[in-house]
Amino acid sequence: SQTIHQWPATLVQPVGSPLSLECTVEGTSNPNLYWYRQAAGRGLQLLFYSVGIGQISSEVPQNLSASRPQDRQFILSSKKLLLSDSGFYLCAWSVGTSGELNYGYTFGSGTRLTVV
Amino acid sequence: AQSVTQPDIHITVSEGASLELRCNYSYGATPYLFWYVQSPGQGLQLLLKYFSGDTLVQGIKGFEAEFKRSQSSFNLRKPSVHWSDAAEYFCAVGASGNTGKLIFGQGTTLQVKP
Repeated sequence: SQTIHQWPATLVQPVGSPLSLECTVEGTSNPNLYWYRQAAGRGLQLLFYSVGIGQISSEVPQNLSASRPQDRQFILSSKKLLLSDSGFYLCAWSVGTSGELNYGYTFGSGTRLTVV
Repeated sequence: AQSVTQPDIHITVSEGASLELRCNYSYGATPYLFWYVQSPGQGLQLLLKYFSGDTLVQGIKGFEAEFKRSQSSFNLRKPSVHWSDAAEYFCAVGASGNTGKLIFGQGTTLQVKP
């Protein structure tokens, strides 16, 4: 069966420090991968999505970047964190190019990032 | 552009009472529609989905939702709410195709009174 792993679960980082959040998927090939951010009271904002290795699309301009070095690995990074980067970050995957959005997304358990 | 509106930010119902959470979407073609639930500090769990066929869809945990094209709505319902249903609920709309992006509403927080 397919599983998605996201870590760390919580992170407290000082302003100006780098960031690396990792997400991996098991049990499927060529998934679509997504990074969302959830700020308090603001719903889920799509940050990046990827339909294949090395293919990253950014939805909003920001201080963050994403990479997909392997088929089932998706990394969210920043060189210098800002206070406004605080939030709950969620990784998700869906069936890739062959198919069907009707399967929906499977989400990871999230990372709570606090920038201090 | 696709968009999703959940008009109610916060809803409180008594345990055992019925529940309806509203969702309105904007999309030019037949959308893929989803409801997700999120417990505090957790990821999102899929409750149910609609993409074609019967407009009344059944989901997990006793939830159902009805797609009404004329009203561009996909409201979530449950006949009798349990205390464990207290959570945040998100409606989402997506388009078929390679990217599979979902656009989420702002969410509705459900509080259940004993």
